Amino acid sequence: DTAVSQTPKYLVTQMGNDKSIKCEQNLGHDTMYWYKQDSKKFLKIMFSYNNKELIINETVPNRFSPKSPDKAHLNLHINSLELGDSAVYFCASSIEQGAPYNSPLHFGNGTRLTVT
Amino acid sequence: GEDVEQSLFLSVREGDSSVINCTYTDSSSTYLYWYKQEPGAGLQLLTYIFSNMDMKQDQRLTVLLNKKDKHLSLRIADTQTGDSAIYFCAHNQAGTALIFGKGTTLSVSS
Repeated sequence: DTAVSQTPKYLVTQMGNDKSIKCEQNLGHDTMYWYKQDSKKFLKIMFSYNNKELIINETVPNRFSPKSPDKAHLNLHINSLELGDSAVYFCASSIEQGAPYNSPLHFGNGTRLTVT
Repeated sequence: GEDVEQSLFLSVREGDSSVINCTYTDSSSTYLYWYKQEPGAGLQLLTYIFSNMDMKQDQRLTVLLNKKDKHLSLRIADTQTGDSAIYFCAHNQAGTALIFGKGTTLSVSS
């Protein structure tokens, strides 16, 4: 059983389009995250939700809007896609905010977004 | 400068020891972590060290922390081809999200 699952695995789209990435975790965790990994493998936090409430919102363009309908789901909607949005987007979850040693991050396998 | 810095590449032969280094700037970090990313997958927690410890050993893994110099290292003994992956150093303060380094790609040749 996949603990943190993201769909789709690959997403190829044109500039200007709007797309969504879905994430679900079946671990019963309270906190979920979106991370962006660029072509150089640099991993940067975008958003963090704790029990459906937005906790962390890093400097991310307004075109990115997370939505958490319940604590097991955190979706990412991106409007007006740009070339620079091409990256791998990882969803993750942890029991507690901050992912301390006894509550490590559990990552999904990533969604590779390519904007042409 | 970057919050967490790592060298980008390391190449070793099978059976040798690998040492991956990391420096960080935030002295208030409570825990420091090493995560591993295999191709096409997300990151997995490998090991961690509490900030008041100098060393932690876990089977083939040894973590060394020099808090004064804000330097963290991960040593992998008897490196195997299956250890080829990207290794990320990470830290956080209480209640904040993990901050990752840029990752060190470890390549193990047989």
